[in-house]
Amino acid sequence: QLQLQESGPGLVKPSDTLSLTCTVSGGSIRSSVYYWGWVRQPPGKGLEWFGSIFYSGSGYYNPSLKGRLTISIDTSNNQFSLKLSSVTAADTALYFCARKYWGSWNFDLWGRGTLVTVSS
Amino acid sequence: QSALTQPPSASGSPGQSVTISCTGTSSDVGGYNYVSWYQQHPGKAPKLMIYEVSKRPSGVPDRFSGSKSGNTASLTVSGLKAEDEADYYCSSYADSNNLVFGGGTKLTVL
Repeated sequence: QLQLQESGPGLVKPSDTLSLTCTVSGGSIRSSVYYWGWVRQPPGKGLEWFGSIFYSGSGYYNPSLKGRLTISIDTSNNQFSLKLSSVTAADTALYFCARKYWGSWNFDLWGRGTLVTVSS
Repeated sequence: QSALTQPPSASGSPGQSVTISCTGTSSDVGGYNYVSWYQQHPGKAPKLMIYEVSKRPSGVPDRFSGSKSGNTASLTVSGLKAEDEADYYCSSYADSNNLVFGGGTKLTVL
């Protein structure tokens, strides 16, 4: 059964770059039918989509974040990653990685999430 | 501020039906049939309940149904059960390969 697991620092300093990795287990990230994406949830607030990437490296980004956001994929290690630059306290959130079917715009499989706090 | 508007709360007694709305624009909800609904229990990841307006993933009870009219989508939960108490989020594809979410609705089973 395919599973997703987020990992990365739980504390990041303001103005630094937030980096997270999602490891896919129980299946291959080199799927021709799935995109892999990131969604975050600030404490007590709603969900925000970051972007989604295909195993080829092509993908879609939230236009409001595009200037600070990089999503990449490492098929040899079955992982994909998120980098968000110039973070502020507003970037404190629970970060989820998730899977979406090619041609759809919903996430059918999610990781458990990892909390990232931006603070000095 | 979220792109899609949901009521902050909804409630119903066990066995009753409750409907949660999700209002957008012609650039998202009204323009595409890619509305989804997620259920999130405290401390858990969201779970897909409805996709493409009214389709249910395997394993989701048929007590959950979705619909859309104009720029407003709706999630109806029939035969409410205590386990349905959770936060519910809608999402929609939006112009230019974007995905937007609603602010969420806390459903209370009285």
